[in-house]
Amino acid sequence: GQQVMQIPQYQHVQEGEDFTTYCNSSTTLSNIQWYKQRPGGHPVFLIQLVKSGEVKKQKRLTFQFGEAKKNSSLHITATQTTDVGTYFCAGQASGSRLTFGEGTQLTVNP
Amino acid sequence: DGGITQSPKYLFRKEGQNVTLSCEQNLNHDAMYWYRQDPGQGLRLIYYSQIVNDFQKGDIAEGYSVSREKKESFPLTVTSAQKNPTAFYLCASSWTGSGYGNQPQHFGDGTRLSIL
Repeated sequence: GQQVMQIPQYQHVQEGEDFTTYCNSSTTLSNIQWYKQRPGGHPVFLIQLVKSGEVKKQKRLTFQFGEAKKNSSLHITATQTTDVGTYFCAGQASGSRLTFGEGTQLTVNP
Repeated sequence: DGGITQSPKYLFRKEGQNVTLSCEQNLNHDAMYWYRQDPGQGLRLIYYSQIVNDFQKGDIAEGYSVSREKKESFPLTVTSAQKNPTAFYLCASSWTGSGYGNQPQHFGDGTRLSIL
């Protein structure tokens, strides 16, 4: 079945450093979504990418969808303590269910 | 405010006991989902429903049951057949777009289930 892998599992950064999490699928995806879950909270939808090579920005967050539509990344520039949480990608292949990656847990040291 | 309400927030189950987790949404979404999250892990799909009176098994449906008698409600029963039920359970809902998964999912605050 479809698998979505996310790396790294954990990332510790100093405030102000950049952060990137990567998402890789075993199959070609029709779209990919990104979610953020704060500690003790629930996942919150951030963005969806659907086009090959698509790049979208939300303030300090940059999301990319690979040309082959099998990988994606989330990059945070100059992290802040408010960025703490777990970031999940969730991919859907054509005719398949949405599958979540295992997430990257980000901690930011002030 | 529109949203998804899960109750209770914390639940304790005795061995051999069935428990039911409530999920209600007032977003008028057609689709609803139940996920299980274990510490440090991602979300695993238990059941989902795209329309009233219809639902499908997810990846880990064994030991769980659901019903979808109303559009707003999608309760999950954790049966005694589920041998390791301790986890964080999340309910979500979404519009049904051109295909399952195309629409963002909105999550409730979750229920933490523990075994006594």
